[in-house]
Amino acid sequence: AQSVAQPEDQVNVAEGNPLTVKCTYSVSGNPYLFWYVQYPNRGLQFLLKYITGDNLVKGSYGFEAEFNKSQTSFHLKKPSALVSDSALYFCAVRASNAGNNRKLIWGLGTSLAVNP
Amino acid sequence: DTAVSQTPKYLVTQMGNDKSIKCEQNLGHDTMYWYKQDSKKFLKIMFSYNNKELIINETVPNRFSPKSPDKAHLNLHINSLELGDSAVYFCASSQGLASYNEQFFGPGTRLTVL
Repeated sequence: AQSVAQPEDQVNVAEGNPLTVKCTYSVSGNPYLFWYVQYPNRGLQFLLKYITGDNLVKGSYGFEAEFNKSQTSFHLKKPSALVSDSALYFCAVRASNAGNNRKLIWGLGTSLAVNP
Repeated sequence: DTAVSQTPKYLVTQMGNDKSIKCEQNLGHDTMYWYKQDSKKFLKIMFSYNNKELIINETVPNRFSPKSPDKAHLNLHINSLELGDSAVYFCASSQGLASYNEQFFGPGTRLTVL
């Protein structure tokens, strides 16, 4: 069965410090991995995805994520956090060989608070 | 230009009523989705259509009926509303059935059932 875990409900970081939001996954076969961000009272916005190739993926707003196959992880990172990065972050996964199972499997979300 | 739009943005109604939420996308995508986000922010897929064909139909009460008149529109009709239906409903779209394509979300419809 496919699954995604975001082990931290909340992450707090000071502005200017690096941030990491963790995601681990479980799929049979190779994964397609996604990060989305949801600002308060808004819809989700796509940040970045891993399909294949380079393990370090760069996305919107200065975010990046590193795919680690041996640790089945896809942690979201940013070198220097901004107060405006405060939002809810979702990790999602789908197996590349899932065939007719077209659902994205979503994590429960991690609330990021960046303190000035 | 709004890529994925939903109407209404807010919907407050009494238990037992029937209501509809409309979604339109101008991205030229052929796949659309309905999600429910509860008060704990958990995101749950409800339905998905590809070229007007239902391709995902999760365990959702049959009081919920999606309709896709064309590939740019996906509406959600809810009969006999219950308190537990209160949530934010998001529409989304993506291109094709390839599982590596990202989804684009609408702003959400906050449904409150009294």
